Amino acid sequence: NAGVTQTPKFQVLKTGQSMTLQCAQDMNHEYMSWYRQDPGMGLRLIHYSVGAGITDQGEVPNGYNVSRSTTEDFPLRLLSAAPSQTSVYFCASSHLISGDLSEQYFGPGTRLTVT
Amino acid sequence: SQQGEEDPQALSIQEGENATMNCSYKTSINNLQWYRQNSGRGLVHLILIRSNEREKHSGRLRVTLDTSKKSSSLLITASRAADTASYFCATDGGGSYIPTFGRGTSLIVHP
Repeated sequence: NAGVTQTPKFQVLKTGQSMTLQCAQDMNHEYMSWYRQDPGMGLRLIHYSVGAGITDQGEVPNGYNVSRSTTEDFPLRLLSAAPSQTSVYFCASSHLISGDLSEQYFGPGTRLTVT
Repeated sequence: SQQGEEDPQALSIQEGENATMNCSYKTSINNLQWYRQNSGRGLVHLILIRSNEREKHSGRLRVTLDTSKKSSSLLITASRAADTASYFCATDGGGSYIPTFGRGTSLIVHP
């Protein structure tokens, strides 16, 4: 199993540009999520999904969109990049066991710089 | 708002010593998890403890949970230089599907 994969590993955008961060998992996990990690901070949840066709907002959703058309894929779209979105982005997935979130498996991260 | 907060923020020890990190959280949980992050890498799951458990072991790791105090601790025994990393606790969101992570403890183990 490849686990959770993310592309690209690095990206530089200009303010106002849009882009999509890709995330895929091959573990048939119901739950997928996107986090951002800023220096000295823990991870903050952007959006999450509990299954195909279902998405919801996390703590910091503004400026980001997601979709979940398949169990495997959960892309994150930056609509109009801003310097405040400079961060490291992590995708994660997990089984839901009796409705509870279990251990999360993380991708390697995407380091995004917005100039 | 972040619900898990680790203490201390940084810890520097010698190889062979034990390392203890603490985590406090604010709301109810179904489980609490600890993760490790090596520099520049993704997080790796270490151990999950359910709200009805008080202690759990995995190799050199020992996690305790006190739901009355809303706190947890991670003990790494006989530390090794390879244990150098940041350690994060994360609540599961108590059914909200919104897990929250603390800012982490940066552990340095000197050989």
